[in-house]
Amino acid sequence: IVLTQSPATLSLSPGERATLSCRASQSVSTFLAWYQQKPGQPPRLLIHDASSRAPGIPARFSGSGSETDFTLTISSLEPEDYATYYCQHRLNWPLTFGGGTKVEIK
Amino acid sequence: EVRLVESGGGLVKPGGSLTLSCAASGFIFSNYAMNWVRQAPGRGLEWVSSFGSSSSHEYADSVRGRFVASRDDAKNSLYLHMNSLRVEDTAVYYCATQGFDYWGQGTLVTVSS
Repeated sequence: IVLTQSPATLSLSPGERATLSCRASQSVSTFLAWYQQKPGQPPRLLIHDASSRAPGIPARFSGSGSETDFTLTISSLEPEDYATYYCQHRLNWPLTFGGGTKVEIK
Repeated sequence: EVRLVESGGGLVKPGGSLTLSCAASGFIFSNYAMNWVRQAPGRGLEWVSSFGSSSSHEYADSVRGRFVASRDDAKNSLYLHMNSLRVEDTAVYYCATQGFDYWGQGTLVTVSS
């Protein structure tokens, strides 16, 4: 299963809404997760099962979608949200990640 | 507190071998499957292996037949035995818990002549 993330780069100002897309080459039901990664750090799980926030993740992060189209929304960007975001499916083997979306400061 | 610490990375020549370790603490290690994920310099994430038990383990096509995962529940440790290493295996290797909710800081493997 190939996951295609768009856009590759998103340039936004603090306080703006960020909308990140992840499209699967075939249905993954809701077996999709989102991660945040900052330079020099391991990934951090944000969302699992398409829309369930991981413990400790702020409410400004939300996930939606099913089958082949998924969205990660950050309702109002905070300075610490500038990072690269990856989606991952967990439907079957092999697990795959999308290519990532970098959210940068405009 | 859950903690994962990888070790064993380093510089190895193409065709060589290396074994990575992941020491786990803060949870009942034997109850959970564990994962290896790698990231080549400046690139995205690539799932490598998921290991539940000796009868339940999966590998990415890119490493199947060359990499073997194992675990020692008595030592709360996960291992990745890497053989026939290629230049394209150069990456930071992370271990992660079953649900990918906890990750180590990673260990760098460089394959170069």
